[in-house]
Amino acid sequence: RKEVEQDPGPFNVPEGATVAFNCTYSNSASQSFFWYRQDCRKEPKLLMSVYSSGNEDGRFTAQLNRASQYISLLIRDSKLSDSATYYCGSGNTGKLIFGQGTTLQVKP
Amino acid sequence: DAMVIQNPRYQVTQFGKPVTLSCSQTLNHNVMYWYQQKSSQAPKLLFHYYDKDFNNEADTPDNFQSRRPNTSFCFLDIRSPGLGDAAMYLCATSSMGRNQPQHFGDGTRLSIL
Repeated sequence: RKEVEQDPGPFNVPEGATVAFNCTYSNSASQSFFWYRQDCRKEPKLLMSVYSSGNEDGRFTAQLNRASQYISLLIRDSKLSDSATYYCGSGNTGKLIFGQGTTLQVKP
Repeated sequence: DAMVIQNPRYQVTQFGKPVTLSCSQTLNHNVMYWYQQKSSQAPKLLFHYYDKDFNNEADTPDNFQSRRPNTSFCFLDIRSPGLGDAAMYLCATSSMGRNQPQHFGDGTRLSIL
């Protein structure tokens, strides 16, 4: 079993749709959680950290469920520019393990 | 302004010819990482440094070595590159502590002839 698992997708959604990604992690000692976004042939960039109480940044909402060991990312009102691969990351004392990535394609 | 800088952006080497990739940072972060990313795959952690303390992942091949001469610089040495080592190599940095995200460089795309 991989330490961090994601549904690879692809998710193909129309503009304006709401889309949710889930990610599970197996290491109960993990303390830090993130969502990264990676555009084609670019480096991963931090989208948002994920806090226990959940957090929101504009159209993006991240949730953490420690009991079930999963994190989620909700994207509302999808834009064409949201098309990318999204990686969840789970870490402990700095070391970060990525999930396989979920590909999102937003279509006009 | 780039804060994690990788050189070169593109590197071509011959099968079996040693190659070194470099990474520098202006963030003064004490943790530095090297990842390998192959096409359509997630970045895979090779090793990381807490200051000078080197941490190798169990499945990182012996062919891959790293050096960190000071806080700002970190090098990835591939002693005898094989065709399977062609990939994007990503350097990242972070502060220690909880909820400290990693900041990535642009990556070096390595091709093997």
